[in-house]
Amino acid sequence: EDQVTQSPEALRLQEGESSSLNCSYTVSGLRGLFWYRQDPGKGPEFLFTLYSAGEEKEKERLKATLTKKESFLHITAPKPEDSATYLCAVQTPGSARQLTFGSGTQLTVLP
Amino acid sequence: DAEITQSPRHKITETGRQVTLACHQTWNHNNMFWYRQDLGHGLRLIHYSYGVHDTNKGEVSDGYSVSRSNTEDLPLTLESAASSQTSVYFCASSEETVNTEAFFGQGTRLTVV
Repeated sequence: EDQVTQSPEALRLQEGESSSLNCSYTVSGLRGLFWYRQDPGKGPEFLFTLYSAGEEKEKERLKATLTKKESFLHITAPKPEDSATYLCAVQTPGSARQLTFGSGTQLTVLP
Repeated sequence: DAEITQSPRHKITETGRQVTLACHQTWNHNNMFWYRQDLGHGLRLIHYSYGVHDTNKGEVSDGYSVSRSNTEDLPLTLESAASSQTSVYFCASSEETVNTEAFFGQGTRLTVV
């Protein structure tokens, strides 16, 4: 059974204080690892897809990296508007086009 | 712009009633999914469809059904609502090929009293 674990569950940062969110996965093969951002009362919004170990992708203050067992979402010099819940999800050969999600990390950036 | 919309945004219903949540997408995607989101559980897959007349059960399908009569719509029906089905429901769609991201609707908050 595919498992996705995110840590920490919640993270509070001061504005400008860089940090990383972790997504570890146990799957039988990986087609892709996806990062989403979710604001309160809204649906998840797609950020990145990573396909193979060593791959990195960046968008503004966010950088996602992937190893064979985990992915990190690095947040550099965060701003209050980066406050949200960040979700990661995996797609595997066994799950075809479905996504299996972790429980998310709730990030709060204080001004 | 293409989009995916859910209705209603909020719904309160009584135990035992049948409830249908609507999902409509204009992406022309073949894949459509229904998830529920609960505190501590993240998003869990209820049902999914890979095309017209195709439906499949997900991880938490008991008490739910879907039907796909066209590309744009995948309504989710709760046959006899239970308090355990109080949750936030999200519909999503994606392109036919694998390795593509899913796009989500804004969600429906359902309360069963």
